[in-house]
Amino acid sequence: EAGVTQSPRYAVLQEGQAVSFWCDPISGHDTLYWYQQPRDQGPQLLVYFRDEAVIDNSQLPSDRFSAVRPKGTNSTLKIQSAKQGDTATYLCASSGDSGNTLYFGEGSRLIVV
Amino acid sequence: GDSVTQTEGLVTLTEGLPVMLNCTYQSTYSPFLFWYVQHLNEAPKLLLKSFTDNKRPEHQGFHATLHKSSSSFHLQKSSAQLSDSALYYCALSDATNAYKVIFGKGTHLHVLP
Repeated sequence: EAGVTQSPRYAVLQEGQAVSFWCDPISGHDTLYWYQQPRDQGPQLLVYFRDEAVIDNSQLPSDRFSAVRPKGTNSTLKIQSAKQGDTATYLCASSGDSGNTLYFGEGSRLIVV
Repeated sequence: GDSVTQTEGLVTLTEGLPVMLNCTYQSTYSPFLFWYVQHLNEAPKLLLKSFTDNKRPEHQGFHATLHKSSSSFHLQKSSAQLSDSALYYCALSDATNAYKVIFGKGTHLHVLP
């Protein structure tokens, strides 16, 4: 069974540039998460979906971050006008069981200079 | 709101000695607790999770007991191995929103020969 796939694996931007991260969850998993993991910190929840619906995006900086999952499968996280403080690894995870086990992708590492 | 506290940023010990990584939490409702492990340059993976029937979860020699009286879910192992060196994250969800999983800051376990 294929795991969670993310791309690109790395991105280096100048401040003010935009970037999109893509995530393909495990087939059949209805719940998809985006976490931000700054260096030497734990994953911090940004947003999560059940199928195509946003369940909680309260921690997503809405002025520059957006996330969609239009068909309830793949998802895109977009950062517009990136700032140095956005430097982090962006982790996508999916879950398909009632026990809330999260399966993570390898992450997309973003550096903003 | 819910929160997870891991007080140790770094734990260094010698191979063969016992391991205990601390995790305490705050949750208004019935919590589910998890331990995830992240090896260098890899994605976090579930190590173990609490059961609703108070059984003690075990995996790869690690175990943890949910103590609601002290709001703790410490991770233990009787004898550390070099391969245990990794980042360990305690995580939490609760009965009102079982799919919202939040993470602690993590503890880096460094096992020396």
